[in-house]
Amino acid sequence: GQNIDQPTEMTATEGAIVQINCTYQTSGFNGLFWYQQHAGEAPTFLSYNVLDGLEEKGRFSSFLSRSKGYSYLLLKELQMKDSASYLCAYTSGTYKYIFGTGTRLKVLA
Amino acid sequence: DAGVIQSPRHEVTEMGQEVTLRCKPISGHNSLFWYRQTMMRGLELLIYFNNNVPIDDSGMPEDRFSAKMPNASFSTLKIQPSEPRDSAVYFCASQLRLADPYQETQYFGPGTRLLVL
Repeated sequence: GQNIDQPTEMTATEGAIVQINCTYQTSGFNGLFWYQQHAGEAPTFLSYNVLDGLEEKGRFSSFLSRSKGYSYLLLKELQMKDSASYLCAYTSGTYKYIFGTGTRLKVLA
Repeated sequence: DAGVIQSPRHEVTEMGQEVTLRCKPISGHNSLFWYRQTMMRGLELLIYFNNNVPIDDSGMPEDRFSAKMPNASFSTLKIQPSEPRDSAVYFCASQLRLADPYQETQYFGPGTRLLVL
């Protein structure tokens, strides 16, 4: 495969916090992207990490550890509209995004 | 900005027919990507153009697939002849590729849902 892995499905309750993990293996690494994709729609950009640490954007935060090949997307104060697939992708010194297969998040009332 | 525009949004065709998918990238963007998305394999890069030139077509499944970018504002992906296994959602994405490699967000079009019977 493409050496990038994320859980297939997750379920959480409205108002809760959920963490979606992504692990990758690559010899070269530029950065890690997170995209959100609602059913039947295009992926839309959420966040980009190139350095280790946490990037916060409102209710969404993304973390990267380059040494561990690990990232997570943290969603706080979950809303029903957050039900979607979340795709992580890395770039490795070229134009190519290598995408994971996505994590389908279901938010329950 | 209208974003990336793709047409048609839906296509149903019979095996053996030719299919042409169209894409208009965001104005000013210099890179264009065609992806295919399926449940089993996720998003797969088919071909990448930079400044209208095909740079990498290693993801194109076989000779039945071809892509062109005659100018900066238009690209096509053609499947001839189409087969049922080509059924998928095909996305076009564009990007402003700068010298700095860390500013390379791709913007996706709405996709074309292709069903080959």
